[in-house]
Amino acid sequence: DAGITQSPRYKITETGRQVTLMCHQTWSHSYMFWYRQDLGHGLRLIYYSAAADITDKGEVPDGYVVSRSKTENFPLTLESATRSQTSVYFCASSWATSTDTQYFGPGTRLTVL
Amino acid sequence: AQSVAQPEDQVNVAEGNPLTVKCTYSVSGNPYLFWYVQYPNRGLQFLLKYITGDNLVKGSYGFEAEFNKSQTSFHLKKPSALVSDSALYFCAVREAAGNKLTFGGGTRVLVKP
Repeated sequence: DAGITQSPRYKITETGRQVTLMCHQTWSHSYMFWYRQDLGHGLRLIYYSAAADITDKGEVPDGYVVSRSKTENFPLTLESATRSQTSVYFCASSWATSTDTQYFGPGTRLTVL
Repeated sequence: AQSVAQPEDQVNVAEGNPLTVKCTYSVSGNPYLFWYVQYPNRGLQFLLKYITGDNLVKGSYGFEAEFNKSQTSFHLKKPSALVSDSALYFCAVREAAGNKLTFGGGTRVLVKP
């Protein structure tokens, strides 16, 4: 059981390019989340999804697009990458209630040149 | 709005000594509190959570945390630290009615032999 996986683990791209980060979970969790981790800011929520075809903005959504056509997948797209989007991106998932623990993927380190 | 403060960027402790990582929170309703640990180049791993009941919560790897409602704190503790406990620790809070986790900025723990 792989749990929650992210791909790629490392990505280097150039300013203005489109980049998609993938997240896949095998638990059938209802909720999925995207965070970015930056020095001095901890983890900040970008987008989250309560179920397939239901998504909502988090704290820092600008410049990002998400979709969730299947429960197990939650891709994050940077439509036109900027240097400020250089970060480590974490995907997480959880069951439906607010008491449930979020489980995190291993992260994707993205560098935008 | 909910928030979390981890007042110490880094905690240094000798192996075998007690370890405490501080966390205070602010929410408008009942809090659900979580601790996560992050080892280098890894995702966040769940340690423990407080939902309701006993104020002292026991978690993984010998860690425990004490919920103090009057002081709005949820400090993480370990009676005897190990070198392998050296990592980045995050406190997080969620309001009982919500699904978004808000993370503190993280505290780096360095356990010296």
